[in-house]
Amino acid sequence: DTEVTQTPKHLVMGMTNKKSLKCEQHMGHRAMYWYKQKAKKPPELMFVYSYEKLSINESVPSRFSPECPNSSLLNLHLHALQPEDSALYLCASSPGPMGVGEQFFGPGTRLTVL
Amino acid sequence: SQQGEEDPQALSIQEGENATMNCSYKTSINNLQWYRQNSGRGLVHLILIRSNEREKHSGRLRVTLDTSKKSSSLLITASRAADTASYFCATDPTTDSWGKLQFGAGTQVVVTP
Repeated sequence: DTEVTQTPKHLVMGMTNKKSLKCEQHMGHRAMYWYKQKAKKPPELMFVYSYEKLSINESVPSRFSPECPNSSLLNLHLHALQPEDSALYLCASSPGPMGVGEQFFGPGTRLTVL
Repeated sequence: SQQGEEDPQALSIQEGENATMNCSYKTSINNLQWYRQNSGRGLVHLILIRSNEREKHSGRLRVTLDTSKKSSSLLITASRAADTASYFCATDPTTDSWGKLQFGAGTQVVVTP
């Protein structure tokens, strides 16, 4: 299995809702990433997990809360989001941990905040 | 933060033609990678070139790297309609934390039949 899966594909939520995005990989990769991507822009790194521990947080607002329950699974919990948080959220993984090589991306979750 | 600048921002060509896009970056790197993204989808890794390599091929793709000029180019030969996508370069800076790829702004390529 050489893919990264993300669920759901689309999510519409109100500003008071709590929702979660899920990412899964079964390639034995030890690094996992969350990116945010706005239309016609490059991906922006949000979080990096290495060996299930949060190693990088790019000063992301606390309304985004990542979680890595095990080496195959990565969640992003969303609470009290703003309309400007609407974007494509991408998960990626890489073999890790010694330096950055190829990253494998999931198809993304298209999030709309009303 | 964004390290790479890509040129051109957009490129429109016909099937069979070659497409060339360039990427410039600012700091020393361990490697440079190229990714493709079809509209609204995830990124697909195309090729990785290390700082001690000058040229690399993969199928119809040819990547060059000039570390003295801090620049790279991606050539797609004999383009097809299926090559229509956004192409991003991404660098792994030597000076930055592990795990932080720096993406360029991207080149939107449209290949018309």
